[in-house]
Amino acid sequence: EAQVTQNPRYLITVTGKKLTVTCSQNMNHEYMSWYRQDPGLGLRQIYYSMNVEVTDKGDVPEGYKVSRKEKRNFPLILESPSPNQTSLYFCASSPDRGGSTDTQYFGPGTRLTVL
Amino acid sequence: GQNIDQPTEMTATEGAIVQINCTYQTSGFNGLFWYQQHAGEAPTFLSYNVLDGLEEKGRFSSFLSRSKGYSYLLLKELQMKDSASYLCAVRGNTDKLIFGTGTRLQVFP
Repeated sequence: EAQVTQNPRYLITVTGKKLTVTCSQNMNHEYMSWYRQDPGLGLRQIYYSMNVEVTDKGDVPEGYKVSRKEKRNFPLILESPSPNQTSLYFCASSPDRGGSTDTQYFGPGTRLTVL
Repeated sequence: GQNIDQPTEMTATEGAIVQINCTYQTSGFNGLFWYQQHAGEAPTFLSYNVLDGLEEKGRFSSFLSRSKGYSYLLLKELQMKDSASYLCAVRGNTDKLIFGTGTRLQVFP
């Protein structure tokens, strides 16, 4: 089944404790992206990647890191989480750039709480 | 700056037609997307417009006017399962996809 998977789905942690949220897609997609979703603010892009070893900042990259060493994986790293990073996080992938094939497929989401 | 506006909430009756508007101001334009998101779930793709006009897909249609920076999503024959948030998103000149805050639609019997 074609899908985007994220782990963990739910996480409660404390300020300053490094964490990684994994994202994997099995559709051989070039483009992957991370978003956070907060009430009243909608989906905001954190980082995106056009291909292996190519990553770029989105609109809200502060406090996050990503890597793209393999095409299928795009982990999100919080080196020192803070309470303002409490949010719902979505990973997404799309086949390529441009046109209707630019449609993004979203993972199920990771609800993160930082105490 | 870049901005996407859509109403926060709308209500409608089962079987009716509802139109959800989206206006945008972006640096360039390379396509507009509509997504549906049920509470607690991931967004799912509904439609894509890059040229002016109407795109129809079953009960859902989406319209685009690039000169006006305007789009709408039209939902016909509303069903209870259509209660969800509807997200308008625009890709400008960069590779970023900018999302509106979403319109929460409630369908009543």
